[in-house]
Order: sequence, then structure tokens, then C-alpha cells
Amino acid sequence: EVQLVESGGGLVKPGSSLKLSCVASGFTFSSYGMHWIRQAPKKGLEWIALIYYDSSNKYYADSVKGRFTISRDNSKNTLYLEMNSLRSEDTAMYYCAKMGSSGGLDWGQGVMVTVSS
Amino acid sequence: DIQMTQSPASLSASLEEIVTITCQASQNIGNWLAWYQQKPGKSPQLLIYGTTSLADGVPSRFSGSRSGTQYSLKISRLQVEDIGIYYCQQASSTPLTFGSGTKLEIK
Repeated sequence: EVQLVESGGGLVKPGSSLKLSCVASGFTFSSYGMHWIRQAPKKGLEWIALIYYDSSNKYYADSVKGRFTISRDNSKNTLYLEMNSLRSEDTAMYYCAKMGSSGGLDWGQGVMVTVSS
Repeated sequence: DIQMTQSPASLSASLEEIVTITCQASQNIGNWLAWYQQKPGKSPQLLIYGTTSLADGVPSRFSGSRSGTQYSLKISRLQVEDIGIYYCQQASSTPLTFGSGTKLEIK
């Protein structure tokens, strides 16, 4: 069974940084691309980043490009999202998700990030 | 970016009724379309991938179809446990994009 467990969220001030982690189990982590997706309170889903299985390619949403960095450590079965220059509009639940067959995603339970002064 | 236009925004239906939710893609995405159900306080759960394939453990009353660039999710006999918000998502190209969601309630 695929398990994805996010951590590292919290309340931070605008302009600060935060690093999220996602520990994967139940599948061969090093064989799959991974995504970060977020959901602002009472809002829809926004994809923010993708990393290939071997870190050879990384893609970002325009809203986070230059501020967020996706990375992974296949030896630790862990996905990361480093977030800098945080803004109030980055307040959201952040989910990591595993790429699956034909584009379907398996999701973690999410971690909340609140950016507020 | 590929836009996914989802309708309706909300839907109230009776138990055992047939329910259909649609998503219109702004360009060709082939069969790179997935559907998710999200319950309050929970993460989205995969229902359908590849337009028509049922995810593991999903009841057979859920089905997906396609006509051109219009994609549909059908629930054949609505059950109480089906309430929630439903999202479509295209995986044809980055950025991945989602429909705006359909809130399904029981009448």
C-alpha cells in the first residue's frame, strides 16, 4: 500500500523560509516521479512542482518559480519542498503525490503551512 | 496551460440516482484524465485514471468516459458515502491542472 507522510509545516511570517518533507513507503520510491500540490483554505487544487524519478528534470508552477525548490533523496525515500520568500498567498495544505498509471496520483495526508504576521 | 472547465459546481441528488459530472479540456489531452473524490478534512482519493480505469478499491458504480475533449464521471447509483467534492485533473502536460470541483450532496 502506498503511504506518503508529509511533515515540516507550521506558522511562519511573510518573507521567511520553510522546508517540507514527504516520506514514502509501500512502493519503489526511486522509480516514480513525485509532485507537490497545494490547496488554499476552502479553495481548489493547485499543482506546484514535479520531480522526475532520478531528479533529472524539475518543473514548477509560475506562482512558485524562483522561490520554491523540489528535491528528493532516493536513499531515504524522501521528497522535499524548500520554500523561500513565503507570502500570505502561500497559505495552504501541501500534499505530496506519487505519479501513477496514466496520470493518476496517490496523495499523502497533507501538511498545513500558514504564512501570517 | 491546459484549462479544465468542470460542471456543475454543485449538485444535489437523491439516493440511487444516476449522477454525471463533466470536464471540458481546452485542448487535446488524450486519455490523460483522472478523477478524485475529496471528503472534508481529507486528501483527494483517486477514483479513475486514464479516463476510464477504476482505481483499486473503488466501487464499480463509478465510471469514466470521454467524447472528444469532454470527459465525464458517472455514479450509477448514488450512495450516502459518495458525498464530497469531485475534481478532474489532466496529466497530459505540466502544469498539471485541475477542474474547479463539483460539490455533491444528497437531496
